[in-house]
Amino acid sequence: EDKVVQSPLSLVVHEGDTVTLNCSYEVTNFRSLLWYKQEKKAPTFLFMLTSSGIEKKSGRLSSILDKKELFSILNITATQTGDSAIYLCAVEASYSNTGKLIFGQGTTLQVKP
Amino acid sequence: GAVVSQHPSWVICKSGTSVKIECRSLDFQATTMFWYRQFPKQSLMLMATSNEGSKATYEQGVEKDKFLINHASLTLSTLTVTSAHPEDSSFYICSARGDRAESGQYFGPGTRLTVT
Repeated sequence: EDKVVQSPLSLVVHEGDTVTLNCSYEVTNFRSLLWYKQEKKAPTFLFMLTSSGIEKKSGRLSSILDKKELFSILNITATQTGDSAIYLCAVEASYSNTGKLIFGQGTTLQVKP
Repeated sequence: GAVVSQHPSWVICKSGTSVKIECRSLDFQATTMFWYRQFPKQSLMLMATSNEGSKATYEQGVEKDKFLINHASLTLSTLTVTSAHPEDSSFYICSARGDRAESGQYFGPGTRLTVT
């Protein structure tokens, strides 16, 4: 059965800390891995990763994929209270070419001032 | 770019009535749209996959006669909750995927449905 597992499930840090969120997967017909940030509403897109070893970066956030070991990490440096959210990892599987997403449980990050 | 809108953002309806939720990709063509449901403090649950011009593919346990999906164009999909009951109250979110292999999936802002 296809699955995506995130760790830790929750994390509390102080402003300025650096955090690393983990996502491992077992999915047949892997197409891509996506990271989303969810605050009070629907998830907002962060990164899409398809190739191993190529870091994607956006401001203080960065992510990398290891297709051999089947995992990805999301790094957030110099955290701010606005980074508090649920971070979702999802793997896109190419079943019948539809690109169905399989989600992990999410990591709830709380950044304290 | 890659903006997805949903309408309405919230709706309250009486038990037994039907509610239609629209999902639009505003600046790209979405050959595939997905409908999710999310309960408080839980992850997203995929309900169905919708391809333009064809019937939706429903996940196991999702009643297709209750949750009607129409994907009439490359920029619009609708979800109709028929004969709504209080247990249908939830947060419904759509996502849209572009028609290129490197396209990501982008979510709409969600629709909060409350059935009284």
